[in-house]
This record gives sequence, structure tokens and C-alpha cells, in this order.
Amino acid sequence: KNEVEQSPQNLTAQEGEFITINCSYSVGISALHWLQQHPGGGIVSLFMLSSGKKKHGRLIATINIQEKHSSLHITASHPRDSAVYICAVTGRVTGGGADGLTFGKGTHLIIQP
Amino acid sequence: DTGVSQDPRHKITKRGQNVTFRCDPISEHNRLYWYRQTLGQGPEFLTYFQNEAQLEKSRLLSDRFSAERPKGSFSTLEIQRTEQGDSAMYLCASSQRASTLSGVNTQYFGPGTRLTVL
Repeated sequence: KNEVEQSPQNLTAQEGEFITINCSYSVGISALHWLQQHPGGGIVSLFMLSSGKKKHGRLIATINIQEKHSSLHITASHPRDSAVYICAVTGRVTGGGADGLTFGKGTHLIIQP
Repeated sequence: DTGVSQDPRHKITKRGQNVTFRCDPISEHNRLYWYRQTLGQGPEFLTYFQNEAQLEKSRLLSDRFSAERPKGSFSTLEIQRTEQGDSAMYLCASSQRASTLSGVNTQYFGPGTRLTVL
């Protein structure tokens, strides 16, 4: 079982819809990251969270430390939001090292016009 | 462009050959990470440097893999006697020494080197 689980694996929505991607982790962490990966491989860091909520433009990320759960929301979704969204954690997770990231498998999001 | 560069972007090699990849991090970043990503999967941690010291190595990093960061700036990842299972995207990321309460800082990723072993 992967220490970082994301759902859904694939999501197709219409332009303008409110999008939610969920992430659950099974061990204690120092921080949780949301990343965006476009075709061709480039990864961009969207958020790094230790607690609470962060907002950047149309993107909102929340984390509940007690429940070991985080969500990424996209408001007023647009076709250019189409990408793979990856949840990753830093901390006491097997295989990630003390400082390296342990990743979920990603959520493939397609926003149709 | 995040400021992290990797070279080459693509490498095709025959099984059994050695390959070397280079990563140039953002200049003021003292932490450097290598990850590997296979098709349809999330990246996996390989190793991590703070300055020139290699502080963490994943058990995924077999004896055929070696990484260096000799002057605490650029890093190289070498794979000896490549196997078809080594085919993947190799990603490099860098960050500054953490100034946050969590002890963690944002990582900036390079574009990756896609390795194909025939």
C-alpha cells in the first residue's frame, strides 16, 4: 500500500466546474506538497502546507493533520488547468528520506471546453 | 522555467552501456534531490545532497547508480551497465536550506532527462 493515496486517479470535467482532488497519507509528515505536471514532464510546485489552508488565484489547498488528509480545489476550472496533479509529503515516510518527497500516483485532470 | 536545468533532455542507450546525467540547480540552493519517474507513476525519491554531502539514499538506488555533487553546485547521476528497467524520466530538484518552522522548503524541479534503454 502506497503511503500517499490520491483520488480520483482520473477526472474529466467541463469548463467552469469546481474541482476537488483528495490526498490521504498514512504516517507523520513535516509538510505536504501539491505539484502540477504537464505533458513532457515539467513539475511545478503549487503549494507547501503544514497546517490550515492556502490560496493562490483559483487554487485552494487545505490540510487536516489529525485526519491525515488534504484537498486541492480549483474554482472556475479552465482547459489550461488540464494536467496531472500530484500530492507529495516530506517527513517520516518510508523511502522518501528525511527530506526527499514521497509522491502519490497523481490525478490526471482534463477540463473540456 | 524554474531555473533548474538538466542535460541531456533525452538519452537513448543500449543495454549494458553507462550513462551520466547532469543537473544544475538554482545557484543559491544548497539542497539537491534526484527522483525517478516511470510511465503512469508518481516520481520516486533516489537521493539527496546538502551542499556536497550525500545525506540520503533510497534503497531503490542499486550499486549500479552513483551520484555526486563535488563542489556543492551541479550534480551528476551515473548509471552503470544499464538495464531495460532503468528506462524512466530522471528528475532533479533543488531547494534552499529550510527556513520554515516545518524544516521543509519548496523544491524546484528541472525538466527531467528521459532515458530509454534498448
